[in-house]
Amino acid sequence: EAQVTQNPRYLITVTGKKLTVTCSQNMNHEYMSWYRQDPGLGLRQIYYSMNVEVTDKGDVPEGYKVSRKEKRNFPLILESPSPNQTSLYFCASSFTTAGEQYFGPGTRLTVT
Amino acid sequence: ILNVEQSPQSLHVQEGDSTNFTCSFPSSNFYALHWYRWETAKSPEALFVMTLNGDEKKKGRISATLNTKEGYSYLYIKGSQPEDSATYLCASLTGSARQLTFGSGTQLTVLP
Repeated sequence: EAQVTQNPRYLITVTGKKLTVTCSQNMNHEYMSWYRQDPGLGLRQIYYSMNVEVTDKGDVPEGYKVSRKEKRNFPLILESPSPNQTSLYFCASSFTTAGEQYFGPGTRLTVT
Repeated sequence: ILNVEQSPQSLHVQEGDSTNFTCSFPSSNFYALHWYRWETAKSPEALFVMTLNGDEKKKGRISATLNTKEGYSYLYIKGSQPEDSATYLCASLTGSARQLTFGSGTQLTVLP
């Protein structure tokens, strides 16, 4: 089944404790991206990647890192999480930058 | 950051009513316009990807139009059903076509 998976789905952590949210797609998509969703603000792009080893900042990259060592995986790293990173995070992928995005199930992160 | 705006923010209609909502986006350097449907507790799913001025797309009772010169798109739902209740997101892709910018969505509730 074609899908985008994210793990974990839910995470409660404390300020400053490094964490990684994994994202994997099995559709051989070149384009992958991370979004955060906050009430009243819609989806905001954090980072995107156009191919392996090619990543770029989105609109809200501060406090996040990504890597794209393999085509299928695009992990999101929070080196030192802070409470303002409490949010719902979505990973998405598509064949091209203009193509329809396939979203993962979301990761709800709470930083206390 | 581009300004993609959607109106209304929320909408309640009766079952059987037809409805429409608006997405406005910067018309300069336009590349593509996406519509997504986002049901509660699920992930956004693509409805349409539109690229040409005057384009009109249809999927069942849902259709969309695109005006790239003036920077707006309409989404229409004919004969709304309770299962159409969702948040409808539009997203604009411009310029170098690397980054999607989402509007904050229109939340539709269809009352039985």
